[in-house]
Amino acid sequence: AQKVTQAQTEISVVEKEDVTLDCVYETRDTTYYLFWYKQPPSGELVFLIRRNSFDEQNEISGRYSWNFQKSTSSFNFTITASQVVDSAVYFCALRLYNFNKFYFGSGTKLNVKP
Amino acid sequence: GAGVSQSPSNKVTEKGKDVELRCDPISGHTALYWYRQSLGQGLEFLIYFQGNSAPDKSGLPSDRFSAERTGGSVSTLTIQRTQQEDSAVYLCASSFGLAASSTDTQYFGPGTRLTVL
Repeated sequence: AQKVTQAQTEISVVEKEDVTLDCVYETRDTTYYLFWYKQPPSGELVFLIRRNSFDEQNEISGRYSWNFQKSTSSFNFTITASQVVDSAVYFCALRLYNFNKFYFGSGTKLNVKP
Repeated sequence: GAGVSQSPSNKVTEKGKDVELRCDPISGHTALYWYRQSLGQGLEFLIYFQGNSAPDKSGLPSDRFSAERTGGSVSTLTIQRTQQEDSAVYLCASSFGLAASSTDTQYFGPGTRLTVL
């Protein structure tokens, strides 16, 4: 069975702090895809990143970076120098190769205070 | 349209009434998904369509919930005899449905907020 765990229910930081959101996944499949979505207070989920299981290269996009480690089944998301606009709920998700269904984690609510 | 659209954006109904929620996916997307998100909670998978067929209905919480998709495009989620516990945001997402593709990604609509009084 597939499962995605986001153990951090809610995190509060002060603006300009760095913050890491954890995501741990479970699957026995060898080919799969991992995703992060952002859900701001407005409610609409926004796709942030997709990662393939065979590509463990970390990715950086501006203040965002993602650390994918197959050895620990983790796909963590770091925001550097957080800003108030980063306040949102962040969801991690897993999709298996050749299947359309997504498995979502329960989300982590990030509060960035000025 | 450019993105996934859902209507209505808000729906208030009385307990026992039926409601229909509509989702219009991104043009060209063959896969369509419905989720439910209760206040402050995560995403609860309801049903998934590939074209007009629903290979996975495992998330529908009861037989009061049903969904259909016609013409491989618009989908309607129907809740019969609504109950207060049905109050939630109902989210729709779509994708190209290319399960073997590494790039297949779900894109979400803004949701319908359902309140059952």
